[in-house]
Amino acid sequence: DIQMTQSPSSLSASVGDRVTITCRASQSISSYLNWYQQKPGKAPKLLIYAASSLQSGVPSRFSGSGSGTDFTLTISSLQPEDFATYYCQQSYSTPPTFGPGTKVDIK
Amino acid sequence: EVQLVETGGGLIQPGGSLRLSCAASGFTVSSNYMSWVRQAPGKGLEWVSVIYSGGSTYYADSVKGRFTISRDNSKNTLYLQMNSLRAEDTAVYYCARGAVTDYYYYYMDVWGKGTTVTVSS
Repeated sequence: DIQMTQSPSSLSASVGDRVTITCRASQSISSYLNWYQQKPGKAPKLLIYAASSLQSGVPSRFSGSGSGTDFTLTISSLQPEDFATYYCQQSYSTPPTFGPGTKVDIK
Repeated sequence: EVQLVETGGGLIQPGGSLRLSCAASGFTVSSNYMSWVRQAPGKGLEWVSVIYSGGSTYYADSVKGRFTISRDNSKNTLYLQMNSLRAEDTAVYYCARGAVTDYYYYYMDVWGKGTTVTVSS
């Protein structure tokens, strides 16, 4: 199975900050990488698919980049509604594995 | 409106069985790949199972041989039959619709709100 890691595991940031979350795969996964946002008590929400494609309806302050083993999710200007946990997930092979998550909270 | 609604969760004793349902609206279950993903209390997301439009099924090693994914096209509903339940199966179970691009990039674009399964004596 492909192992996914994320860093940091948590971060504190202020509204308006630029935030970057890193995801690393244990082997090359090309661009088969998705990002999800999850708020407490809610279902995950797709943000980015295929490493850099923005899901319809997702604000443009979210962006994704990377290929191979290293990927990033960037929030260009953090908004109050962005405080949540973010997960990466590889879809290169079955089983599709998730990273452990990065919790973004208010500084 | 595209929507998924899970039902069937509850409190069950170890070794027991439970069947989860996921009713879809606004799209056809059989035309998409559909997954179950779970989240244990305070933990991250764990993929459980998938059924592709052609009917192929796959399972996480942790549930293989105990869980069965299926669908009823006439009811536009996805199921997860869970047998021989263990305490470690305690989680919120989400169903999710899968989508795929022209270049076979897979992702889960619609999620239900989840149903809670608690395995405890």
